[in-house]
Amino acid sequence: QVQLVQSGAEVKKPGASVKVSCKASGYTFTSYYMHWVRQAPEQGLEWMGIINPSGGSTSYAQKFQGRVTMSRDTSTSTVYMELSSLRSEDTAVYYCARGLIAVAGSFAGYWGQGTLVTVSS
Amino acid sequence: QSVLTQPPSASGTPGQRVTISCSGSSSNIGSNYVYWYQQLPGTAPKLLIYRSNQRPSGVPDRFSGSKSGASASLAISGLRSEDEADYYCAAWDDSLSGWVFGGGTKLTVL
Repeated sequence: QVQLVQSGAEVKKPGASVKVSCKASGYTFTSYYMHWVRQAPEQGLEWMGIINPSGGSTSYAQKFQGRVTMSRDTSTSTVYMELSSLRSEDTAVYYCARGLIAVAGSFAGYWGQGTLVTVSS
Repeated sequence: QSVLTQPPSASGTPGQRVTISCSGSSSNIGSNYVYWYQQLPGTAPKLLIYRSNQRPSGVPDRFSGSKSGASASLAISGLRSEDEADYYCAAWDDSLSGWVFGGGTKLTVL
């Protein structure tokens, strides 16, 4: 069965960077795109971007351009999301989510458990 | 301010049928598929509907989705207490070249 296991909670100071990992199992890692979505406390869902684990190509939401980097390690079936220049508004739960179908236009069908990132001085 | 517009709340009694709307524009819902998610408190979202009206395996047929023009709806029939959750719609937006969500609807089962 598809499993996405994310790294643990992080506490960071403003201006720092955070790197969240998402280890996939139960399917062919390179066949499905991976999305990153975040949710601030008591707020809605926000799409951050997508990575193609096969070639490593990425596409980011305009809001995060220049601050986010998504990468992958095919040897460990793991994708990463790094967010830099953190500010308090980046305090949120960050989710990785695999595309439902093995095509580029498929949105999130399977979700990780989420990683809480707290930005506080 | 979300790109897709949902009512902030909805409610119904057990056994009732409720619908949740999601309004967008020609650049998102009007030209692309809609996805619906259920989020129980403290958990990750769960996919309920994809490609506007398709249910993944394991999702009860009490949940159904529809789309007309630039609007979409999620219907829940035979409402149960365990359906009390937040519901989100999502779609690709051609103008933004990204995925957009509705602000979410909190469903209360009275």
